Amino acid sequence: ETGVTQTPRHLVMGMTNKKSLKCEQHLGHNAMYWYKQSAKKPLELMFVYSLEERVENNSVPSRFSPECPNSSHLFLHLHTLQPEDSALYLCASSQESRGGFTDTQYFGPGTRLTVL
Amino acid sequence: GQNIDQPTEMTATEGAIVQINCTYQTSGFNGLFWYQQHAGEAPTFLSYNVLDGLEEKGRFSSFLSRSKGYSYLLLKELQMKDSASYLCAVSLASGGSYIPTFGRGTSLIVHP
Repeated sequence: ETGVTQTPRHLVMGMTNKKSLKCEQHLGHNAMYWYKQSAKKPLELMFVYSLEERVENNSVPSRFSPECPNSSHLFLHLHTLQPEDSALYLCASSQESRGGFTDTQYFGPGTRLTVL
Repeated sequence: GQNIDQPTEMTATEGAIVQINCTYQTSGFNGLFWYQQHAGEAPTFLSYNVLDGLEEKGRFSSFLSRSKGYSYLLLKELQMKDSASYLCAVSLASGGSYIPTFGRGTSLIVHP
């Protein structure tokens, strides 16, 4: 299997549910990202794990919790979400050097999340 | 801070040439990416510019002027399959890393 994969592709959940999104990259990259894509809005960066360190966007609500157990896997744990959290959640990976250069990002197909 | 602007929508005719502009106002600039995103699919990489000038890759070319905070994506010999959203993303310094920040995207409609 190649590239960046995400599961599930579609998810419908209630506001009281707990679910997790999974991302796996098979490209040997050392940086992984979570983005939120809503209609008519730019891609919003949520979290970055780069060189095994987490770079957090402080504006992301605590009901979203990332986990990066190793450089190939990234999770986004969801709990008590709101209907406005319904969106396409995209995972991406890239190769980043110690000098800080970020190479091209490769995106997964995304998880279409609907919160009822 | 950063402000990335690109037109919301453009239309063009099959076989024609279209230029999609992107302007940005940022600090810590490290390069500019263009991505293509078809409806319901993930963004895919088109080009990366870090130095001023034109980068040509087949039917697609990308230009950057760092002093003017300006880039464009040029699509030649348009095909129907080029109908998609085109995302401009600026690589910005953030806490020792460089993080791509995206514009809203330009929806390109190619008609016969």
